[in-house]
Amino acid sequence: EDKVVQSPLSLVVHEGDTVTLNCSYEVTNFRSLLWYKQEKKAPTFLFMLTSSGIEKKSGRLSSILDKKELFSILNITATQTGDSAVYLCAVEVDDKIIFGKGTRLHILP
Amino acid sequence: NAGVTQTPKFQVLKTGQSMTLQCAQDMNHEYMSWYRQDPGMGLRLIHYSVGAGITDQGEVPNGYNVSRSTTEDFPLRLLSAAPSQTSVYFCASSYSRGRKPQHFGDGTRLSIL
Repeated sequence: EDKVVQSPLSLVVHEGDTVTLNCSYEVTNFRSLLWYKQEKKAPTFLFMLTSSGIEKKSGRLSSILDKKELFSILNITATQTGDSAVYLCAVEVDDKIIFGKGTRLHILP
Repeated sequence: NAGVTQTPKFQVLKTGQSMTLQCAQDMNHEYMSWYRQDPGMGLRLIHYSVGAGITDQGEVPNGYNVSRSTTEDFPLRLLSAAPSQTSVYFCASSYSRGRKPQHFGDGTRLSIL
């Protein structure tokens, strides 16, 4: 059975801290890995990763994929209160996209 | 450009009632999917479609039907609602399969009494 596991499930840090969110997967036919941020409503896209070792970066957020060890990390540096959200990892398997349970991140001012 | 539009935003049903959640996209996307989101469970795939006339089951299809008669619309039907189907439902679309990031609708919050 295909599965995507995120850790930690929740995290509380102070503004300015750096956080690392983890996503591991066991799937039959990997195509890509995606990260989303979900605040109050719909998830919004952050990154799509298909190749190992190539870092994707957007401002203070970055992500990298390791296809040998079957995991990805999402880093957020110099966190701000606006980074508080649920971060979702998803893996594209054949025609399906399987999500993990998410990491709930709370940034204290 | 409206993106992905879901209706209704909120709905309360009684056990045994039927209803259809509507999803429409105006981006000419081939791939559409339905998810449900429960507390602590992330998003679970219910059904998906890779193009008009083609649908398939996801992780949690029981109790739900879908059809895809046009590229734009992908309705989700609950034939006989059960309290276990109380959830937030998201529709998503992308240009082809999942290779492009999915665009999500704003969700439908459904309560079954």
